[in-house]
Amino acid sequence: EAQVTQNPRYLITVTGKKLTVTCSQNMNHEYMSWYRQDPGLGLRQIYYSMNVEVTDKGDVPEGYKVSRKEKRNFPLILESPSPNQTSLYFCASSLSGTGDPYGYTFGSGTRLTVV
Amino acid sequence: GQNIDQPTEMTATEGAIVQINCTYQTSGFNGLFWYQQHAGEAPTFLSYNVLDGLEEKGRFSSFLSRSKGYSYLLLKELQMKDSASYLCAVRVSGNMLTFGGGTRLMVKP
Repeated sequence: EAQVTQNPRYLITVTGKKLTVTCSQNMNHEYMSWYRQDPGLGLRQIYYSMNVEVTDKGDVPEGYKVSRKEKRNFPLILESPSPNQTSLYFCASSLSGTGDPYGYTFGSGTRLTVV
Repeated sequence: GQNIDQPTEMTATEGAIVQINCTYQTSGFNGLFWYQQHAGEAPTFLSYNVLDGLEEKGRFSSFLSRSKGYSYLLLKELQMKDSASYLCAVRVSGNMLTFGGGTRLMVKP
């Protein structure tokens, strides 16, 4: 089944403790992206990647890192999480170019709470 | 900058028709998407418009006017399970989608 898999689904952590949220897709998509979703603010892009070893900042990159060493994986790293990073996070992927009529395929989401 | 506007909330009755509007002002345009998102779940694809006009898919239709920067999603024969948020998104350049804040639709019996 074509899908984007995120782990974990739920995570509660303490301020300053490094964490990684994993994202993997099995559709051979070139493009991958991370979003956070907060009430009243909609989906905001954190980082994106056009292909292996190519990453760039989105609208809200502060406090986050990403890497794209393999095509299928795009982990999101929080080196020193803070309470304002408490949010619902989504990984998404799509084909390259502008012709994909489905836009993104989203992962199931990771609900992160930083205390 | 990019600006995509949708109403925050709408309420409709089961069996009725509802239209959710989306207006956009973006630096580029390469297609407009509508997604459905149930609370706490991932957005799922509903429709895609890249040319002006109406696209129909069963109970759901989506309309686009590029000259007016305007789209709407039309839901017919509303069902309780249609209670969800509906996200309008514009593909601005390459693969990048910019999302509106979403419209929360409540369907009442």
